[in-house]
Amino acid sequence: DAGITQSPRHKVTETGTPVTLRCHQTENHRYMYWYRQDPGHGLRLIHYSYGVKDTDKGEVSDGYSVSRSKTEDFLLTLESATSSQTSVYFCAITPTQNTGELFFGEGSRLTVL
Amino acid sequence: QKEVEQDPGPLSVPEGAIVSLNCTYSNSAFQYFMWYRQYSRKGPELLMYTYSSGNKEDGRFTAQVDKSSKYISLFIRDSQPSDSATYLCAMSAANSGYSTLTFGKGTMLLVSP
Repeated sequence: DAGITQSPRHKVTETGTPVTLRCHQTENHRYMYWYRQDPGHGLRLIHYSYGVKDTDKGEVSDGYSVSRSKTEDFLLTLESATSSQTSVYFCAITPTQNTGELFFGEGSRLTVL
Repeated sequence: QKEVEQDPGPLSVPEGAIVSLNCTYSNSAFQYFMWYRQYSRKGPELLMYTYSSGNKEDGRFTAQVDKSSKYISLFIRDSQPSDSATYLCAMSAANSGYSTLTFGKGTMLLVSP
C-alpha cells in the first residue's frame, strides 16, 4: 500500500464550524490531490498541489482552502462547513503528472449537521 | 453531454461469469485510460492502466481501448466474489497539466457465489 494516511477518518460537525482534514504521505511524491466523492457525482477534484506552497483549484473548490508547507502534508480546510460539504474526502498522490496513476488514501467521512 | 459516461449498475453476475464493464467518452484528447477498483468504504486502487488504443491483459483482467469509438472496456474472466466492488474508469489527456483525471461515476459489480 502507498504510504498515505488521512485524518480524521470520521468526523461529525455542525454548520458554520471550521474543519481541517490532513493527508500525510511517506512516499515523497510531488503531486497531491484532494477529491470528494458523492453519490451521483463520482470523484471530483477540489484542490491539488504540485509542490511545497504550490497549489491550485480544481473543479469544486468553492468553500475549501488548502495548504502544503511540507512535502509530506497536504491540508484541506473548510472555513465554515455547510451541509452540502457532507461527503467522503479522498487524498491522492502521484510521482508523475499527466498519466493519472493516482494512489488514494482510505478516505475521510465528514458529516455536517 | 458528460465527458465520461459509465453505467452505475449494479451489475449482478454468478461466480465464474465473464464480466464486461464499459465507459464512453467525448474528449478525443484523452490518451491515458485507467480502471480503478473501489471496495466499500475504501479508497480507489489502480487496477489497469493503458496508453492510447489496444488491449492490455493482467491475469483475469483485460482492458481494451477503442479510441475511434471513444469506448473503453474492462473484462473480468472467471469472476470471483472478491471482485465485488465499484469499478471506476478514468482518463486523461497528454500535456494537460497537473489536474488531469476525469472519472466516470463507477459501476457497482456484485458477484454471487
